[in-house]
Order: sequence, then structure tokens, then C-alpha cells
Amino acid sequence: QLQLQESGPGLVKPSETLSLTCIVSGVSISSGDYYWDWIRQPPGKGLEWIATIYYSGSTWYNPSLKSRVTISVDTSKSQFSLRLSSVTAADTAVYYCARHTADRGDFDWGQGTLVTVSS
Amino acid sequence: QTVVTQEPSFSVSPGGTVTLTCGLSSGSVSNSYCPSWYQQTPGQAPRTFIYNTNIRSSGVPDRFSGSILGNKAALTITGAQADDESDYYCVLYMGSGLWVFGGGTKLTVL
Repeated sequence: QLQLQESGPGLVKPSETLSLTCIVSGVSISSGDYYWDWIRQPPGKGLEWIATIYYSGSTWYNPSLKSRVTISVDTSKSQFSLRLSSVTAADTAVYYCARHTADRGDFDWGQGTLVTVSS
Repeated sequence: QTVVTQEPSFSVSPGGTVTLTCGLSSGSVSNSYCPSWYQQTPGQAPRTFIYNTNIRSSGVPDRFSGSILGNKAALTITGAQADDESDYYCVLYMGSGLWVFGGGTKLTVL
């Protein structure tokens, strides 16, 4: 049974870097069948896809965030991570890690973690 | 920049049928966009209901169905129930690893 658990600071100061980790259990992160994602949702607003990574390290980014985002994977720890630099209040959101199968929108979601950007 | 469009809100009577749509600001949605639908209740993570146009996820009632209607993807609920009242989001695959979500539809059952 897949479990995805986000972890990281719940409060980040403006202009600093947001860092989150997703711990994957119940399935091998190195399985070639799956891709690993970060998706966010500002309070009261809709979903926004941020980035995807494959176990090999291949990455894909939302063009609107690409200049500030880095997604990485550590297969030895069965986890993948998100870094978002130069954050502002607009980056306040619930951040979800997720998994999907190649060429399918069958996202499996973590519970999400709220990150607030505030001084 | 491509925008994925959804009705902001919709209302259906209990037992009624409702069709939510997912379109593009420019162009038509086809199966190649892998349109997929998610249900989200307040305070919870989204749950995949339909993926790749019309494939129901495990445990999703068969009153939910997905299709392409005209130039949009569609989610139809036949025989709506009170606990179907939720936010529904669609996503489209734009190719090159990129996904774009719609703004979501708030469905009211009353």
C-alpha cells in the first residue's frame, strides 16, 4: 500500500527557500512504472502542478515556476524533495507530493502540508 | 499560456444528472490530453476519480463516468447523491511532461 508523507517547515520567511521532502513507503521509488510529483494548492484556490521527477533523475517543471524550483530524488532513502527559492506570500499553499503512472492522470496523493510564507 | 477551463460552480438535485466540463482556452480536448478528474472534500487531499478520459479509479461508484463531449472532457454524475457535494478538478496533459489543472468546479447537491 503506497504511502506518501510530506515533511518540512510550516513557516518560511519571504525571500528564503522553501524545502520539502516526501517519504515514499509501500512501493519502490525506483520502480520504472511511476513518476513522482509536487502539486500545490493556495488556501481557497485551485491545484497547481509544480514539477515531476523520475527515479533516474529526469525532471519536468511548470514553466511559470521553473526558474525558482528544483526537484530531486534520493532512491537510497526512498524520498524525493522540492526546493522553491525566493518565496513570497503568493507561495503560501498546501503542498502535496504525489505519484502517477506514465501517460496517466492517476495521481495518488499525500495528505499535504501547509507552508506559510510570512515574516 | 494554455488555460484549462471549468465551470466555477454547478448545482444538481438529489437523484439528478449533472455534467461538468473541462476545456481549453484555445483548441479542443481529446484523449491525447489524458483528461482526468479529482474529487476534493474540505480539508482533504484530492482523490482521483477518473483518469485518461473514462477509466474509473478503484472504489469509485459507477454513477461517475468520463467522456469527451464536443471539444471538452466531461465528468457525468448520474443519480447524484448528497455526498457527491465536493470540489471537482480536472487536469490535462500538455505533453513534454507538463500537466495543467483546471480551476475546479464546486458542486452543490440540493
